[in-house]
Amino acid sequence: AAGVIQSPRHLIKEKRETATLKCYPIPRHDTVYWYQQGPGQDPQFLISFYEKMQSDKGSIPDRFSAQQFSDYHSELNMSSLELGDSALYFCASSLVGLAGDYQETQYFGPGTRLLVL
Amino acid sequence: AQSVTQLGSHVSVSEGALVLLRCNYSSSVPPYLFWYVQYPNQGLQLLLKYTSAATLVKGINGFEAEFKKSETSFHLTKPSAHMSDAAEYFCAVSLNAGNMLTFGGGTRLMVKP
Repeated sequence: AAGVIQSPRHLIKEKRETATLKCYPIPRHDTVYWYQQGPGQDPQFLISFYEKMQSDKGSIPDRFSAQQFSDYHSELNMSSLELGDSALYFCASSLVGLAGDYQETQYFGPGTRLLVL
Repeated sequence: AQSVTQLGSHVSVSEGALVLLRCNYSSSVPPYLFWYVQYPNQGLQLLLKYTSAATLVKGINGFEAEFKKSETSFHLTKPSAHMSDAAEYFCAVSLNAGNMLTFGGGTRLMVKP
């Protein structure tokens, strides 16, 4: 079965640079979530989108922005990178739906490992 | 608001022994509860979930969990540990479909030969 695709899988950036992470949800899924997992930490929710609109916002820094496009893929844009942004960034997708066909489960991609030097 | 507490950041068992990973939650409404497993340098894989149907939930790889409302717990068990079970396990809660997941701190399971 098709899974969540994230690209790139690894990314190395310098401080103050920008980075763009991409997420392609499972086909038919309408909701995308972004999580950040620091070294030895549990995943922390950043932001989510349902039908291309921001649906929830967590501990996402102002330097980060995200959007969901018409084909439901999502991009997380990170600017003025700091050393503390080094982490594993997960995207997850789910089907929230409109007609009661929702699924509670969020399916996670393999993650993008960002290293800021 | 919701929160999750996983008791024991590290659990070590012998191969063939019972695995018990503890998870307690707090939630203002009946929650959805999940267990995810993360192998080294990999993503999160769903083990099982509770969504207000049966309180005893069976998942993949022989794992199961029981939802106990009176104890606000959702402990994960497996009768007999395999070496391949060594991984990080996360308990998570959400209030509704489409809501963010709140994770516990994770429990690293080590399996000794």
